[in-house]
Amino acid sequence: QKEVEQDPGPLSVPEGAIVSLNCTYSNSAFQYFMWYRQYSRKGPELLMYTYSSGNKEDGRFTAQVDKSSKYISLFIRDSQPSDSATYLCAMSRPGGGADGLTFGKGTHLIIQP
Amino acid sequence: DAGITQSPRHKVTETGTPVTLRCHQTENHRYMYWYRQDPGHGLRLIHYSYGVKDTDKGEVSDGYSVSRSKTEDFLLTLESATSSQTSVYFCAIKDLYNEQFFGPGTRLTVL
Repeated sequence: QKEVEQDPGPLSVPEGAIVSLNCTYSNSAFQYFMWYRQYSRKGPELLMYTYSSGNKEDGRFTAQVDKSSKYISLFIRDSQPSDSATYLCAMSRPGGGADGLTFGKGTHLIIQP
Repeated sequence: DAGITQSPRHKVTETGTPVTLRCHQTENHRYMYWYRQDPGHGLRLIHYSYGVKDTDKGEVSDGYSVSRSKTEDFLLTLESATSSQTSVYFCAIKDLYNEQFFGPGTRLTVL
């Protein structure tokens, strides 16, 4: 079993819909959770960073973490064609300052105009 | 963009040749990382650095070495490139808030 599981999609939704993207993980040592957006042939761009269970909101984006279920989500409200990209979840452990991130494989999202 | 540049941005080389990729940052961050991104595997950590001359291995370090002689530069070297090292390579830094930011990437093709 991979440490982080993420459905690769593609996920296709109409413009204006609410999008739900999800990851599950198996290692309970993960305590920091991130969502990145990556456009084709570009570097990943940090969207959301959280380290506690519950919700964190930033504009049209909401990140949700449920540590008891080892499940994280990213919700996008009022989705736009410009949101079409690959969304990567990532996580890391506390304490080891130099630890890199463990990524899901990414979900390819298509917003249809 | 966290002041990260990578060079070269594209490179085509032949099997068996040495290759060095450079990551340069302008904001004096202590931690720097090299990842590779491949279809079906996502992003995987190759090596990381926690200071000048302080480096360690990541998940997929075989065939790669790194060096950091200055805070701002982190070099990734493929001593003898193989076709399995064809990939997109990303450098990242971690800031004081534990957030990682990525560079634009280097697309490497080994023929």
